[in-house]
Amino acid sequence: GAVVSQHPSWVICKSGTSVKIECRSLDFQATTMFWYRQFPKQSLMLMATSNEGSKATYEQGVEKDKFLINHASLTLSTLTVTSAHPEDSSFYICSAREAGLTYNEQFFGPGTRLTVL
Amino acid sequence: AQSVTQLGSHVSVSEGALVLLRCNYSSSVPPYLFWYVQYPNQGLQLLLKYTSAATLVKGINGFEAEFKKSETSFHLTKPSAHMSDAAEYFCAVTGGNKLTFGTGTQLKVEL
Repeated sequence: GAVVSQHPSWVICKSGTSVKIECRSLDFQATTMFWYRQFPKQSLMLMATSNEGSKATYEQGVEKDKFLINHASLTLSTLTVTSAHPEDSSFYICSAREAGLTYNEQFFGPGTRLTVL
Repeated sequence: AQSVTQLGSHVSVSEGALVLLRCNYSSSVPPYLFWYVQYPNQGLQLLLKYTSAATLVKGINGFEAEFKKSETSFHLTKPSAHMSDAAEYFCAVTGGNKLTFGTGTQLKVEL
């Protein structure tokens, strides 16, 4: 149980285009989903927290107009990188927290490798 | 506020030797602690978690960790390393809505 999927697993796009990444909880309802960014050989950096049906909460320094997050249902959150540029190239990982758990255990997706040319 | 310090960004052990990955935490509230493993180009897999029950926590793949409040530590150990244990390991703490990760330790297992 507690499986989280991400799609696509990797994407290459041209500079200036937008890319959407999906994060799905496959066998549980996730009231909260998280989006992280990971640079090579570094730890995970939390970008934003999204709660189903409400606006995402962005971490300091993360451009909300560039990284659009939608959490329209209890099993799906999307991250859209708008007008992507090479510096947006990174590994993006989502996680989901199951409703009812008290200790904030998060289940992680397999990640999406974004390369912007 | 919470923080995690992982001592040693790289650890190298021989196959069959003891694995010890260090994690110290800081938390203003009773913490919940986690160890995750990440293989190249993959997401994070939970190894084990401390949620204020037993202080010695056993996880998957033969790993275990002991919560020591007096030392604010949650070190990860495995009695005998296997080649398949080579990966990046992250310690994380939560006292609220967010997980705070350490900087990670790259474990190398040599023949």
